[in-house]
Amino acid sequence: DSGVTQTPKHLITATGQRVTLRCSPRSGDLSVYWYQQSLDQGLQFLIQYYNGEERAKGNILERFSAQQFPDLHSELNLSSLELGDSALYFCASSTRGDRGETQYFGPGTRLLVL
Amino acid sequence: AQSVTQLGSHVSVSEGALVLLRCNYSSSVPPYLFWYVQYPNQGLQLLLKYTSAATLVKGINGFEAEFKKSETSFHLTKPSAHMSDAAEYFCAVSDGAQKLVFGQGTRLTINP
Repeated sequence: DSGVTQTPKHLITATGQRVTLRCSPRSGDLSVYWYQQSLDQGLQFLIQYYNGEERAKGNILERFSAQQFPDLHSELNLSSLELGDSALYFCASSTRGDRGETQYFGPGTRLLVL
Repeated sequence: AQSVTQLGSHVSVSEGALVLLRCNYSSSVPPYLFWYVQYPNQGLQLLLKYTSAATLVKGINGFEAEFKKSETSFHLTKPSAHMSDAAEYFCAVSDGAQKLVFGQGTRLTINP
């Protein structure tokens, strides 16, 4: 158990809908990362937050947004969902968000868009 | 930009045999390198990481990896495979920022 929790574990929804994925980092970690794992794209970095502020952005679609709250939990919002958004979404956390720090991954949220 | 290439999307070995999973990286800065393991329906678990302290890095579950700058490689090895090692393994590089850039993964199968 990494100490990172993600809810829900599974999510099934329809095209055009909007969903919110939630992540709670390990106790004491200030930085949260979101990754998408799909069969065709592999594991791709989406976005990073540090202590409530966006720090780095990767291949995140404009339909997707994220935020980190004062209690350090983070939410990833996916809107206008398409079939291709079906994937496993991971949250990871690290202490300060510095390069080379170990990132601890949660169990993921499996999203299926029908 | 940093990148990682894992040679072999599937590797199959017999129980007790040597495990060798290959990883080559590209980085314009001294790299931080990681190996993660993913068991079915689970998240990624860190096996080991290289942060320039020592070229031979020992990790959990008997795995180790050697950083070879001249070959831009960071191959993962285990002297004797166990059935419980069956999983998907990912090599990753930490680029100039903080994100991890992952390889495509290698699925390891252990034959009894």
